[in-house]
Formats: sequence, C-alpha cells, structure tokens
Amino acid sequence: DTGVSQNPRHKITKRGQNVTFRCDPISEHNRLYWYRQTLGQGPEFLTYFQNEAQLEKSRLLSDRFSAERPKGSFSTLEIQRTEQGDSAMYLCASSNRDSITDTQYFGPGTRLTVL
Amino acid sequence: GDSVTQMEGPVTLSEEAFLTINCTYTATGYPSLFWYVQYPGEGLQLLLKATKADDKGSNKGFEATYRKETTSFHLEKGSVQVSDSAVYFCALSDSGDKIIFGKGTRLHILP
Repeated sequence: DTGVSQNPRHKITKRGQNVTFRCDPISEHNRLYWYRQTLGQGPEFLTYFQNEAQLEKSRLLSDRFSAERPKGSFSTLEIQRTEQGDSAMYLCASSNRDSITDTQYFGPGTRLTVL
Repeated sequence: GDSVTQMEGPVTLSEEAFLTINCTYTATGYPSLFWYVQYPGEGLQLLLKATKADDKGSNKGFEATYRKETTSFHLEKGSVQVSDSAVYFCALSDSGDKIIFGKGTRLHILP
C-alpha cells in the first residue's frame, strides 16, 4: 500500500493560464475524491468518481474546472483560465466503497499559487 | 445544508494536560462522524470515527462519543504530548460519499 500520491506537489502559475493536477489513488480503491482547502479553512468537497463515472460535482466547481478518471484509476483535475481566487491546496482522497470501513485516505495535496 | 462547527484555535496546553476540542454538527440524516488530524508537513489522516449514536471512537489515546441528543462529537485526550501538536478537523458524512469538514483547530503542546 503506497498511499495516495499527487503531482505536482507545488504549482505556481500566472493568472489566465491553465493547470492540470494528477492523483493516483490506492490501487484497489474504486472511489476517488477531490477537495480544495484554503488557508485557515477545512477541506471543501469538489467532486468524486466511482470507477470512471463522475457521480457528484459541488457548486464550487465552476465551468473552468474539469475532472476526469478515464480508466477508473488515476484522475486529473484541470483548471482553465486560472484566477487568483483559485490559489489553494487541492487534495485527493480515495476509498474502497466495497469495504466495511470505507475510509477516505488523503494524499499530500497540490498547492496552487496563482500570481 | 449539513455543517460542522468546532472550537476556534489555537489551543495551547502544557504536556500531560487534559484536552477537549468541542465539535457540534447539523445534519438532516444520521451521519457518520470523524476526527481527522493534519500533522505539520503531512497529509490529512483519519484519527477516529463513529457511525451511530452513542458509539465511541478511539485511537492513540483520543476519544470522541457520538451524542445525537446534543449533536456533538467532542474530542478528548487525558494526557497530551508534544507530538500531538497538529491541526484537528471534525467532520461528517451524511451519505457515505463526500465529507464535510469543520474549519480545524490548531493545537500547540508545550513541553
């Protein structure tokens, strides 16, 4: 069990640029979640997948945000035309819906800074 | 909608002191309740959970009891250590899907 990994760990970009983050879940986990955490706040839910199907999207996820999980394994989160308000830590978590505990395990996050 | 309210920090205690971090929740259903911890430089980790009323979650000397009548899930530890210094998040999941987090409480333990 290598845990949830996220890349890159840090991303600095200029306003208006597009960015893409990757999340690799724990291998047997069928659910994958994206959250966003701003300074001094708790994580806020963005979206989640069961296998390759995107089952729920938060109203926080504007149309500039898109997430995919094409083969039910890794996932990408893309932000188009970044804004300074997008600066945050983007967290990925995974879980096994079929297990008794169904615990979400979090990755280390990708810290985005939009200049 | 569902929400979690936890006491604001930072909380500063001396080593071996008793710890309580208050947490209350609002939910339409019967949520599962969690405490997550974020140690400096590390990712979020599940500390403990409780899935129904009167359940007690416990781990690493920390405990929390699911109180439906007061909609609370307060975190307690009898004797804190310097290594417990971290940010603690109370959270709930009403549907078994997304987790709703509180704002977090930063804990500093002085030697």
